[in-house]
Amino acid sequence: KQEVTQIPAALSVPEGENLVLNCSFTDSAIYNLQWFRQDPGKGLTSLLLIQSSQREQTSGRLNASLDKSSGRSTLYIAASQPGDSATYLCAVGGGGSEKLVFGKGTKLTVNP
Amino acid sequence: GEEVAQTPKHLVRGEGQKAKLYCAPIKGHSYVFWYQQVLKNEFKFLISFQNENVFDETGMPKERFSAKCLPNSPCSLEIQATKLEDSAVYFCASSQFPGLAGANVLTFGAGSRLTVL
Repeated sequence: KQEVTQIPAALSVPEGENLVLNCSFTDSAIYNLQWFRQDPGKGLTSLLLIQSSQREQTSGRLNASLDKSSGRSTLYIAASQPGDSATYLCAVGGGGSEKLVFGKGTKLTVNP
Repeated sequence: GEEVAQTPKHLVRGEGQKAKLYCAPIKGHSYVFWYQQVLKNEFKFLISFQNENVFDETGMPKERFSAKCLPNSPCSLEIQATKLEDSAVYFCASSQFPGLAGANVLTFGAGSRLTVL
């Protein structure tokens, strides 16, 4: 059974700092890995999707990496801004199922 | 439309009452997924559909939960005889293609918050 763990559970940083969020998964037989952002009381916004054959994806100040063999992914946020404050969720899909398995998320607070 | 529309946004039910939630997937998306979010960040898969057919229902509590996706109607998730532990935000997502391979990104709705008193 796939299990996804995100560390840390919460992170508070000053504005402008670069930061890394971590995600690990137990079963390396995945199709892809997605990073989502969830704002309080809102739905999920997909940030980056990495296919199992890829090692990283970039969008603006965000960079996500994937190391399938070690079961790890990182989300790198450059020059953080207060607007980046949200909960970031990692989810993996695959292993013969269409469903995503989510981590519990990292709550990020960027202080002005 | 280009968004997954979920209604109602909030629903309050007394324990034992029925609750019904609706989801209109993005036009052209054949796959619909329901997820339950409890305790803030615990996302649990419930069920998925390929058009009107159940694709995967391994996450559905068998006794009180049911779901449908009928042609020309929003998909629905119904809970009979709600319990306190059913209080959660229920998210619907849709995708265009089967499987999670390729560039098949799930698009999520804003969720329906169910409160059981």
